[in-house]
Amino acid sequence: GEDVEQSLFLSVREGDSSVINCTYTDSSSTYLYWYKQEPGAGLQLLTYIFSNMDMKQDQRLTVLLNKKDKHLSLRIADTQTGDSAIYFCAESPFSGGYNKLIFGAGTRLAVHP
Amino acid sequence: NAGVTQTPKFQVLKTGQSMTLQCAQDMNHEYMSWYRQDPGMGLRLIHYSVGAGITDQGEVPNGYNVSRSTTEDFPLRLLSAAPSQTSVYFCASSYDSLRAEAFFGQGTRLTVV
Repeated sequence: GEDVEQSLFLSVREGDSSVINCTYTDSSSTYLYWYKQEPGAGLQLLTYIFSNMDMKQDQRLTVLLNKKDKHLSLRIADTQTGDSAIYFCAESPFSGGYNKLIFGAGTRLAVHP
Repeated sequence: NAGVTQTPKFQVLKTGQSMTLQCAQDMNHEYMSWYRQDPGMGLRLIHYSVGAGITDQGEVPNGYNVSRSTTEDFPLRLLSAAPSQTSVYFCASSYDSLRAEAFFGQGTRLTVV
């Protein structure tokens, strides 16, 4: 079945690195995504990785993909208070001719001084 | 640019009432979808549309109807509201179902009493 698992909370000190982990189940997913949700707002696409890649770096963000273990991680370098938000991992299994997004429950990142 | 616009932002309904959540996008996107967000459960797909005149059910479609008469608009109708439909509803659009980037509206917080 389709399922995305992530831990619910992460607390880090400002300036440290944050690592948010995610596991997914469907190996047919073409893309895997990280979305950010700030309080009272919709989801914003942070970054995504194509399934044939192992790593993608975008400024302070690094995405690592282990297809064998179906494990995805998001590393935020030099974490700032503005990074406090909920981070959602999502896979896109190919079903019925279309890619649908399946979200994890979200990891709430709290950044403290 | 407006992007994806949802109205209303907040709504309180009595059990058994019906209402329509509005969603409009100005990016000429083919693919639109509705999600509900409940605590600890991430986002779950209610209905989606791959183009004007075409809709299909997602993971949790019961109690909801949709239509797509134009590319721009994708309203979600609650036929007879129930307390279990208390949630935050998000509309999203993307170029098509295969493209990585999905744009989300700000959400509608619905309470059914």
